[in-house]
Amino acid sequence: QKEVEQNSGPLSVPEGAIASLNCTYSDRGSQSFFWYRQYSGKSPELIMFIYSNGDKEDGRFTAQLNKASQYVSLLIRDSQPSDSATYLCAAFNNAGNMLTFGGGTRLMVKP
Amino acid sequence: NAGVTQTPKFRILKIGQSMTLQCTQDMNHNYMYWYRQDPGMGLKLIYYSVGAGITDKGEVPNGYNVSRSTTEDFPLRLELAAPSQTSVYFCASSEDGRPQHFGDGTRLSIL
Repeated sequence: QKEVEQNSGPLSVPEGAIASLNCTYSDRGSQSFFWYRQYSGKSPELIMFIYSNGDKEDGRFTAQLNKASQYVSLLIRDSQPSDSATYLCAAFNNAGNMLTFGGGTRLMVKP
Repeated sequence: NAGVTQTPKFRILKIGQSMTLQCTQDMNHNYMYWYRQDPGMGLKLIYYSVGAGITDKGEVPNGYNVSRSTTEDFPLRLELAAPSQTSVYFCASSEDGRPQHFGDGTRLSIL
């Protein structure tokens, strides 16, 4: 079974610190990877996607991908209390046309 | 521009009842998806569609049916509601096969 694994947390960081969220995947056929933010009681919101090995930066967010290690991460710099949410990692396999989600990591940013 | 609209937002069903969860998108996206999310968990794909008249099973299709007669609409049918189907249901759409636009969800309880 194709799986995406995340530590459920909560991950607690002080305001202004870097939050590091990690994700591993089992399907080597996965070609693109997505990070969604989900506030409590709300729907997921796409914040980053990455296709190639290395880093991809967008504002305070950096996604990192290492296909050899089957590892994806999301760094949030200068964390704010408004970043407190659950972050879902997802892997997409073009052949299966399916996005597989991890269980999510709950992030808490303390003022 | 409404995006992805789901109705109803909340529903309580009795065991054995049937109902249809409605999903409409106004972005002319070919790809549409139904996910369920159990408390503290990630999203599980129920069914998806790559265009009008085409549907396919996801990870957890048992107990559900879908149809896609138009590009805009992708209803999800529960024929014989069971307590295990208590969940939050999200509909999503995309233009390139990677879900980016989610509806607000339908919270369904089966008692």
